[in-house]
Amino acid sequence: SQQGEEDPQALSIQEGENATMNCSYKTSINNLQWYRQNSGRGLVHLILIRSNEREKHSGRLRVTLDTSKKSSSLLITASRAADTASYFCATAFQGGSEKLVFGKGTKLTVNP
Amino acid sequence: NAGVMQNPRHLVRRRGQEARLRCSPMKGHSHVYWYRQLPEEGLKFMVYLQKENIIDESGMPKERFSAEFPKEGPSILRIQQVVRGDSAAYFCASSKTSLLGTSRETQYFGPGTRLLVL
Repeated sequence: SQQGEEDPQALSIQEGENATMNCSYKTSINNLQWYRQNSGRGLVHLILIRSNEREKHSGRLRVTLDTSKKSSSLLITASRAADTASYFCATAFQGGSEKLVFGKGTKLTVNP
Repeated sequence: NAGVMQNPRHLVRRRGQEARLRCSPMKGHSHVYWYRQLPEEGLKFMVYLQKENIIDESGMPKERFSAEFPKEGPSILRIQQVVRGDSAAYFCASSKTSLLGTSRETQYFGPGTRLLVL
């Protein structure tokens, strides 16, 4: 299976703390993307990291990619209650596939 | 600059009825993707279309499901004779260009249609 897997499945932290979520995948990728989904809503694209990049920042988000370990991490610094959501990694695989392959997500709860 | 539009947002059907889900891609986007999300799960790819062409339907169930993206109008995902197991959120995404051969392109998602089969 090409499916990415996030861990942990659920994460509960206090406002102001940092949240780290990890994603692992199985085959070579073109890029890896992180999305956020608020409960019952659509997906919001957060950040895309290409296979030749190791780290990327966007505001309070920091994404790393280790292609040798086939893993990525998403760090949210100084979390806020509004960051409460599910976070998914999605991979675009090499080899001619157009589809994004999603993991099951990490459910983040930020307590005020 | 409107994003990806999907309608209806919620759809209730009885077993055996038909469900038609619509998706209008972002302006300037000619690539459309459909995904299905079961409760507490990630999204699963169903089908990828360009105008008037199905490019990849490897994720589509072989029976009862069909998709189209006509020259004019929205993309349609059609589910015939719905069963309870079809209850899910169906998301449409669009992109400006093909993902193939590029490591920069991403897909932009609509708000989804939540289908409930009674």
